[in-house]
Order: sequence, then C-alpha cells, then structure tokens
Amino acid sequence: GENVEQHPSTLSVQEGDSAVIKCTYSDSASNYFPWYKQELGKGPQLIIDIRSNVGEKKDQRIAVTLNKTAKHFSLHITETQPEDSAVYFCAARNQFYFGTGTSLTVIP
Amino acid sequence: AAGVIQSPRHLIKEKRETATLKCYPIPRHDTVYWYQQGPGQDPQFLISFYEKMQSDKGSIPDRFSAQQFSDYHSELNMSSLELGDSALYFCASSLGDRDNSPLHFGNGTRLTVT
Repeated sequence: GENVEQHPSTLSVQEGDSAVIKCTYSDSASNYFPWYKQELGKGPQLIIDIRSNVGEKKDQRIAVTLNKTAKHFSLHITETQPEDSAVYFCAARNQFYFGTGTSLTVIP
Repeated sequence: AAGVIQSPRHLIKEKRETATLKCYPIPRHDTVYWYQQGPGQDPQFLISFYEKMQSDKGSIPDRFSAQQFSDYHSELNMSSLELGDSALYFCASSLGDRDNSPLHFGNGTRLTVT
C-alpha cells in the first residue's frame, strides 16, 4: 500500500518566520497532492493543493512544491501568524492515505 | 457557502451497543467519504460512495456498514461497539474524482464508547 511520511511531527516557529513541512510518498501513480489544516475541534480544511503536472503553486503566504522524481512535496508558510497554529496533513494516492500530521505552533 | 453537516456532534455509547452517524454532503457533491481519526492520529479512510454506490473501501471493520441514500446523505452504522472505536468520525464530500478534487470535511462526530 501507499506510505506517506510527513516531517516534522511538531514545529515551533517565531511569528514572522517561515515554516516548511515535507511529505514523501511511494506510489508513483499519485498525481494529486493536497494539504489540509485542522484546527482543534474541527475537520480538516484544504489550504492548498497541487497536481502532478505543476512543480509549484503559491497562494499568498502559502506555497506547495512538488518533486515527482523524488516523490516528495512540501508546504511552505511564510510570515507565519499565530492563527497558523494548527495540525497540518498532507495526502496522497487518491487521498486514501494521509500523512501523520505536523503540529505547528507559531509563537507570538 | 453550505458545508458538510454531521450529526450528532457528540455520542456516548456503551460497549456492545450500536451507533448511527449521519452526514449531509455539500449540495451537488456526488461523492461521500468516511474517515476515522483517533487521538493524535491522522484520518484513516473507511469507505466512500459515488452516486449512492459504494466506490472504495478502506479499513472499515466488518461491524460497521454504511450507505448513501437517494438524497445523497450518508449514514455510518456501527454495531457491537468496542472501546477502541472511540474516535472522531469525519464525513467529507467532493465533486468529481478524489484523485483530482479536494475533500470538504464536516466537523466530525466524537464517539465515546464506555
């Protein structure tokens, strides 16, 4: 089956700094790579996604990069704010499989 | 915009009891998914339905069953509940193939089995 590894599991940054979360996957057939943000008591919410025919996508302070050869994709958050604090999940292989999550804390 | 509605938000059951969780997808979404999330864990895919037919099956125990009705709402039926079934259960919906479409999650049902 698919193996989606996500690192780091926890990440603390100072407000205004950047945060980077990385996921690797094993199924070369995966071609859709979303990132979800989950706040306490809520369901995961899509923040950005990328398809395999694109190497990078940006939406304001959030960007995702994809390296299909190396089978990894990364979430980049710049100018972090306290409201970015949450758990972030990547997903691959038809979203059957989620990464193990990264708990991001932005320190004011 | 309308979101995915799940009910109830919280449910407490005893071992060996049954539970039914309900999900109302976003209007016009044709696919419904169920996920189970344990404390501090990632969502685990259970089962999905496309146009009222089961489309994919994940790690759903045989004690659980689900269906999607003519109005597209879905129900997850859980029988012979065990302590280990305590978790957050999320429903999600999408329009189109999950290999190309984001999932829209509800806020979940927290099931506690005592």
